[in-house]
Amino acid sequence: RKEVEQDPGPFNVPEGATVAFNCTYSNSASQSFFWYRQDCRKEPKLLMSVYSSGNEDGRFTAQLNRASQYISLLIRDSKLSDSATYLCVVAGKSTFGDGTTLTVKP
Amino acid sequence: GAVVSQHPSWVICKSGTSVKIECRSLDFQATTMFWYRQFPKQSLMLMATSNEGSKATYEQGVEKDKFLINHASLTLSTLTVTSAHPEDSSFYICSATNRQANTGELFFGEGSRLTVL
Repeated sequence: RKEVEQDPGPFNVPEGATVAFNCTYSNSASQSFFWYRQDCRKEPKLLMSVYSSGNEDGRFTAQLNRASQYISLLIRDSKLSDSATYLCVVAGKSTFGDGTTLTVKP
Repeated sequence: GAVVSQHPSWVICKSGTSVKIECRSLDFQATTMFWYRQFPKQSLMLMATSNEGSKATYEQGVEKDKFLINHASLTLSTLTVTSAHPEDSSFYICSATNRQANTGELFFGEGSRLTVL
């Protein structure tokens, strides 16, 4: 089993839709989690940090479920500019998921 | 915020030559730096973990003699692709963690796109 697994996607949604991605992790001792966004041919950029039960920033909400060992990312009212690959990272070992690709269409 | 600078951004070289890529943490000390490779439409693949003052730890399948990593200071790690071949053409990215902040957050360099002719 991989240390971090993400929804494989791709997700194709219309503008304005709400979309959610999940990420499961295998190490129950993990404390910190991050969602990064990577645009094509660019480096990943931090979207949100998740240290406790969750975090919210505008249209983006990240939730952590320690009992089930998963982190979710919810995007509300999706925009065309949200199209990207979203990476789940478990801190400590620089462990990535393979990423979930989101395409928001007009 | 913490900044990681990677250089060069683009490099084109002839087959058989060696290419060095630098990764610098500009405003923090990086205990650990990571090197990744990403082929088109594929995910980031961790190549190696680099700790200051010690040998890098390579992931399975990554040739340590081909991808030389040096982490001589807390702010600089270098990746040298030796005797590069066309199949080494890829997007190479580094990341670093902030030793003092110790949050586990990864700070990425801008990436280096290598094309081997």
